[in-house]
Amino acid sequence: GAVVSQHPSWVICKSGTSVKIECRSLDFQATTMFWYRQFPKQSLMLMATSNEGSKATYEQGVEKDKFLINHASLTLSTLTVTSAHPEDSSFYICSAVQGSYTDTQYFGPGTRLTVL
Amino acid sequence: AQKITQTQPGMFVQEKEAVTLDCTYDTSDPSYGLFWYKQPSSGEMIFLIYQGSYDQQNATEGRYSLNFQKARKSANLVISASQLGDSAMYFCAMRGTNTNAGKSTFGDGTTLTVKP
Repeated sequence: GAVVSQHPSWVICKSGTSVKIECRSLDFQATTMFWYRQFPKQSLMLMATSNEGSKATYEQGVEKDKFLINHASLTLSTLTVTSAHPEDSSFYICSAVQGSYTDTQYFGPGTRLTVL
Repeated sequence: AQKITQTQPGMFVQEKEAVTLDCTYDTSDPSYGLFWYKQPSSGEMIFLIYQGSYDQQNATEGRYSLNFQKARKSANLVISASQLGDSAMYFCAMRGTNTNAGKSTFGDGTTLTVKP
């Protein structure tokens, strides 16, 4: 199957700092990338959808200014958590899709963010 | 709107036995895809199997098969000859052509524990 990488796999930062997470599709061009947040023992919560070259579409309740998403190319999307606070601590997962609705959504390995 | 229901929060199975994880769905899309993912404790979402709504035959991938009953709107995952490494959380998901702009809808997940 297709490979999606995510970096870093874990990060610890101080409250008030910003953290950038990278998501790359390694062997295919992703028309769409998704960013999810997941709490322990729960399902994935979609934060935003990003398409290359256009602004991300955020889900209701997700702060655009806090979670900045940039989809610079067909293989790279970044999520920046700005002015992070302890409540932003979570597991963040990206995924990428190559084309239509029948195409499989492949996931990165996730990033565990801890804000002190 | 799309909805995925996984009614089994937790399941236990003896090693080498088969197990069925239930998934029912609801959608108004005429065409859609159904997916199963495995999430071990490491957090990575691993794609297991895909079923298209117009596929006549049930999908199979190694020890995984999908019991697709379109009229009942169910897409159960069957794992044959369970192994200890199958212990994980399993998510059923769907993507449709019209609804949700290609975004996936996930169920709440089922935690499978394989006993030795």
